[in-house]
Amino acid sequence: GAVVSQHPSWVICKSGTSVKIECRSLDFQATTMFWYRQFPKQSLMLMATSNEGSKATYEQGVEKDKFLINHASLTLSTLTVTSAHPEDSSFYICSADRIAGGPPDTQYFGPGTRLTVL
Amino acid sequence: AQKITQTQPGMFVQEKEAVTLDCTYDTSDQSYGLFWYKQPSSGEMIFLIYQGSYDEQNATEGRYSLNFQKARKSANLVISASQLGDSAMYFCAMREGGNQFYFGTGTSLTVIP
Repeated sequence: GAVVSQHPSWVICKSGTSVKIECRSLDFQATTMFWYRQFPKQSLMLMATSNEGSKATYEQGVEKDKFLINHASLTLSTLTVTSAHPEDSSFYICSADRIAGGPPDTQYFGPGTRLTVL
Repeated sequence: AQKITQTQPGMFVQEKEAVTLDCTYDTSDQSYGLFWYKQPSSGEMIFLIYQGSYDEQNATEGRYSLNFQKARKSANLVISASQLGDSAMYFCAMREGGNQFYFGTGTSLTVIP
């Protein structure tokens, strides 16, 4: 149980285009999902907290107009990188809080999406 | 101050031996959770083990155990009988009162055949 999927697993795009990444909790409901980015050989950096039915909460320094987050249902959150540039190239990982079941406060992570902007 | 400190950037262990990965944390909350995640080269973050601040016994999950020393604010991960598939990055994390996770910088573990 507690499976989180991400799609796509990797994407290459041209500079200036927008890319949408989906995060789904497959076998549980999640009122809260989190988006992280990770640079090579570094730890995860929280970008934003996504709450179902409300606006996302962004961490300091993260441009909300560039990284659009939508949490339309209890099982789906999307991250759209708008007008992507090479410096946005990174590994993006989502995680989900499980409403019930499992160890308390545990986040379950998706497999990640590797974004390369040319 | 760092919420989570992992002082070992890299560790090596012989196959079938046990290894301890260090983690110390900083919090003034009474209620918090401590976690360990494994990240293989594929990138996926795999949940390994959880310890609640009020849990009196050390958590165990198969070959993984968490050596929880509350007074010292340490939550070391012990992997027994290491296997080649254990080679990965390991992240210690803490959650205070249901809020965001704080991750350490990670420890790269290499299991030597």
